[in-house]
This record gives sequence, C-alpha cells and structure tokens, in this order.
Amino acid sequence: QSVLTQPPSASGTPGQRVTISCSGSSSNIGSNYVYWYQQLPGTAPKLLIYRNNQRPSGVPDRFSGSKSGTSASLAISGLRSEDEADYYCAAWDDSLSGPLFGGGTKLTVL
Amino acid sequence: QVQLVQSGAEVKKPGASVKVSCKASGYTFTSYGISWVRQAPGQGLEWMGWISAYNGNTNYAQKLQGRVTMTTDTSTSTAYMELRSLRSDDTAVYYCARDETGFYGYFDLWGRGTLVTVSS
Repeated sequence: QSVLTQPPSASGTPGQRVTISCSGSSSNIGSNYVYWYQQLPGTAPKLLIYRNNQRPSGVPDRFSGSKSGTSASLAISGLRSEDEADYYCAAWDDSLSGPLFGGGTKLTVL
Repeated sequence: QVQLVQSGAEVKKPGASVKVSCKASGYTFTSYGISWVRQAPGQGLEWMGWISAYNGNTNYAQKLQGRVTMTTDTSTSTAYMELRSLRSDDTAVYYCARDETGFYGYFDLWGRGTLVTVSS
C-alpha cells in the first residue's frame, strides 16, 4: 500500500486538460520535492517533472506540476492519444529515509 | 549516447539469488549514483535502494535490508544489484536509474528493465 495516494485512473478526450493528484503527508510531500514519471505501455518510466514543477528538456510544456502543502498535482493540457500511459508521483520520505512512489494513475485518452 | 544497458531476463527458483547488471555510458559514471526500482507484474514502482558510484555508499530500503546488495565496478561503469533468498513475490521487472544524490527520488535516466521470474 503506497503512502502517496493517487487515483487509479483518469481519462479525457483529445484536446482536454486533465489533472492527476498525489496526496502525501508532512514527512514526504510536505517537506520534500515531488517528481512525476510517465510510463508508456511496455516501457521504462521516464522523468516528466522534477522539483515540483520543472520540466526536463524535451518534455512538452503541455505538462505541468504543482505542489501545495502535502499534495501535488500533474496537469496535462491539450491531451493527445500518445499521452495514454501510467503516471507516478514520487517524493522522499524523511521517516523511511528513502523515496516513495504513488500507486500510479492510468490515463486513458477517449 | 547517454544510456543504461541492463542484463537479460532471468528465471530463478525460490531460495536462489539473482544478480542484475546495469552498464552506464555517455556520462561520467562516478559523478552519479544508481538507484534500483522494481515493478511486479501489473503493479506500481518500488524503490529498492541506491549506491553511490563515487564511493560505494549505499542506502537500502528497509524492507529489503539483509537480502539485497548493490555494488559498482568503476572500471567498466557498471552497477550490480544482487537479491538473495528469492521468493515468488520477487518476480518483477528490475530497473536501474541514474540518481545523482540518493535523496529526493530524482531518477533522470532509466534502463530498459530486467525481468526476473521466480518459479519452482
């Protein structure tokens, strides 16, 4: 059972804006950076957002991250079929002295 | 080309050990660490631990303490993860990921994964 809580699924139509939430606690999201990873079907995860809201080079600006208190969100605007993937949040946990992942959210583009 | 290349799939019996390799190229190996992350079939991601390629310092997930050992060979820019006393619930895809500091959960480069199947 993940300590970072994500909705198991999300969906949207092409062009829409969708958000995926990630809820934690004071020992992880509340005091550390949040990272987001995208895992396309059958592939390895890929870094999508780092340090709450920064995009690595090559990641489209359709993807954005935010954090408030002990929760974080990933927003995807102008949804495309190729965005259909699993999305994971991650944050360091001070109590465990290690990073935690959320359970993942499967995004379906209708 | 900056990449991590992992060893091939393994099939092991319960109680055995497995050692997975991860060869880095295209960057200065000793400037970063390597984290290992696994994913059971149809499940989410689980961090296993981290090793510094600079000095060999390690930080293992509490759950795996005593069963996992991570090492590096700087002469070949290769990281290794050995898991002992394998059980059926260790069946998973094992990923190595570049992780500069071992803090934060910041994995900016991933290998393609190694499937380890534990079955009698």
